Amino acid sequence: EPEVTQTPSHQVTQMGQEVILRCVPISNHLYFYWYRQILGQKVEFLVSFYNNEISEKSEIFDDQFSVERPDGSNFTLKIRSTKLEDSAMYFCASSPGDRVNEQYFGPGTRLTVT
Amino acid sequence: GQNIDQPTEMTATEGAIVQINCTYQTSGFNGLFWYQQHAGEAPTFLSYNVLDGLEEKGRFSSFLSRSKGYSYLLLKELQMKDSASYLCAVTSGTYKYIFGTGTRLKVLA
Repeated sequence: EPEVTQTPSHQVTQMGQEVILRCVPISNHLYFYWYRQILGQKVEFLVSFYNNEISEKSEIFDDQFSVERPDGSNFTLKIRSTKLEDSAMYFCASSPGDRVNEQYFGPGTRLTVT
Repeated sequence: GQNIDQPTEMTATEGAIVQINCTYQTSGFNGLFWYQQHAGEAPTFLSYNVLDGLEEKGRFSSFLSRSKGYSYLLLKELQMKDSASYLCAVTSGTYKYIFGTGTRLKVLA
């Protein structure tokens, strides 16, 4: 069964550094999303992406964040200058064109900012 | 404001039925979702409701009342593997999602 994959599974970085989190959505899916979940807290929507542009973004998704689909398979989240409070699990998700509301989540990347 | 409320924790016995409630107040509404999340894992999609009424999918059913801002997830014939957090989420824009804090369900033998 096809699944969303994410790399790395765990990323440790120093405050102020840039990080890129990578995702490979399910191949025939058209809608892509990033979420984060701080340990013990709720899942928070960051951004949705369709047709090579951002569809919606939350208040969390400020100028420090950007997303890209550099080729036909990868979907990346970049954080320009990480802060301690960016430490969280970051989930990528994708959904098919005919069932846009059925999102499939990847296993997540745990980002630790020190 | 945007708010989704769920009970923090519930306990039920294997083989029983449990109902997890969710109430929401959002500036827009385009549908309500239920996800299952085991500890340390990603959420898994369970159901989506946009119209009032009950949607049944195997042992799981989800109900929505838009006028009351209310939904519930019904789990029948509980199994030990159903011990997980159940997340209620609402889409308030076209592709914008708000999650509740989740209900941690413990299934006891």
